[in-house]
Amino acid sequence: EVQLVESGGGLVQPGRSLRLSCAASGFTFDDYAMHWVRQAPGKGLEWVSTISWKSDNIGYADSVRGRFTISRDNAKSSLYLQMNSLRAEDTALYYCGKGKVGSSSSSIDHWGQGTLVTVSS
Amino acid sequence: EVVMTQSPGTLSVSPGERATLSCRASQSIGTNLAWYQQIPGQAPRLLIYAASTRATGIPARFRGIGSGTDFTLTISSLQSEDFAVYYCQQYNNWPRTFGPGTKVDIK
Repeated sequence: EVQLVESGGGLVQPGRSLRLSCAASGFTFDDYAMHWVRQAPGKGLEWVSTISWKSDNIGYADSVRGRFTISRDNAKSSLYLQMNSLRAEDTALYYCGKGKVGSSSSSIDHWGQGTLVTVSS
Repeated sequence: EVVMTQSPGTLSVSPGERATLSCRASQSIGTNLAWYQQIPGQAPRLLIYAASTRATGIPARFRGIGSGTDFTLTISSLQSEDFAVYYCQQYNNWPRTFGPGTKVDIK
């Protein structure tokens, strides 16, 4: 059974940093692209970032480019999101998602339960 | 950026009736489109990928069609568990983008 467990969320002041992690199990992690998607309270889904299976194709939403960095450690079956210069508008539930295929052009076929990031002074 | 629009914003349907949801892309995305269902308080669930392929375990009453810029999700006979918000997402162009969602509620 595929399991994705996010961690690292919490309350952080504007301008500070946070690193999210996603521990994956139940599938061959290094065969699939991985994704981060967020959802602000009461709002819709917003794609944040995607990393291909070999980390050779990475993309970011315009709203986070230059501030967030996605990475993966295939040996640890883990996905990360380094978030710098956080803003109030980054407040959201952050979901980790498994790609349907290895390439970055991929739908998300499994989702974690999310980790909440709150940016506030 | 490919802008995804969905209509209607809210669809009120009686159980057993058909629901038709629309998704439009601002430029051609081929068939690189997915549909997701989100029940309040839960993570999204993949329903359809590649515009028309049902994901594992998704009932046959969910049907996706379309290519290019116009896509449709049809739920042939709504069950109680189908009342939710439905999102489309394109994964053809960077940045990937979601539509704003269609809420399907009970009439």
